[in-house]
Amino acid sequence: QVQLRQSGPGLVRPSQTLSLTCAISGDSVSTNSATWNWIRQSPSRGFEWLGRTYFRSKWYNEFAVSVKSRITVNPDTSKNQFSLQLNSVTPEDAAVYYCARNNNWSFDVWGQGTLVTVSS
Amino acid sequence: QSALTQPPSVSGSPGQSVTISCTGTSSDVGGYNRVSWYQQSPGTAPKVIIYEVTSRPSGVPDRFSGSRSGNTASLTFSGLQAEDEADYYCSSFSSSGSYVFGTGTKVTVL
Repeated sequence: QVQLRQSGPGLVRPSQTLSLTCAISGDSVSTNSATWNWIRQSPSRGFEWLGRTYFRSKWYNEFAVSVKSRITVNPDTSKNQFSLQLNSVTPEDAAVYYCARNNNWSFDVWGQGTLVTVSS
Repeated sequence: QSALTQPPSVSGSPGQSVTISCTGTSSDVGGYNRVSWYQQSPGTAPKVIIYEVTSRPSGVPDRFSGSRSGNTASLTFSGLQAEDEADYYCSSFSSSGSYVFGTGTKVTVL
């Protein structure tokens, strides 16, 4: 049974960096058959796909245009996890952040979600 | 990237058949067999109930079914049950390489 466990702070100061980690159990971040994604949900913007990392003979990272200049997603094979960093946050970045596995073009396993507040 | 359009709410009595629509464009819903549907209860992560337009993951009741016509995908409940009361979202892969989600539909069982 594949599980994703998120960790990271729920409060980020404006202009600072949001950092979250997603630990994987029951699968490998290096698998050739899935991608590892970050998605957020807010009342104002709904669900928004942010980006993904995946391995297909080499590592690939792809990001939504809306956050491309501010986002980093990194795999950590030694810990079997992947991370999200979002720079220069504003109140518009406040949301519930989810990590999720994509398999068969759908998000079939989700983390528990992290409510991120942006406030000084 | 514009969100896919869903009705804000639908309702029905137990046993009734109910359908939720999800309208996109030829660059997402109409262009790829990569539409999925998610059920979300308050305070929980979404759960996939349909993938690749019509496929159901193991363990998902067969009263849930998916279909597509042109740029509109649909989720049908064949015999609504009380435990189906939740929010439902569609999602599609898009030509930009990203994923786009629907605006969400609240299903109420009367």
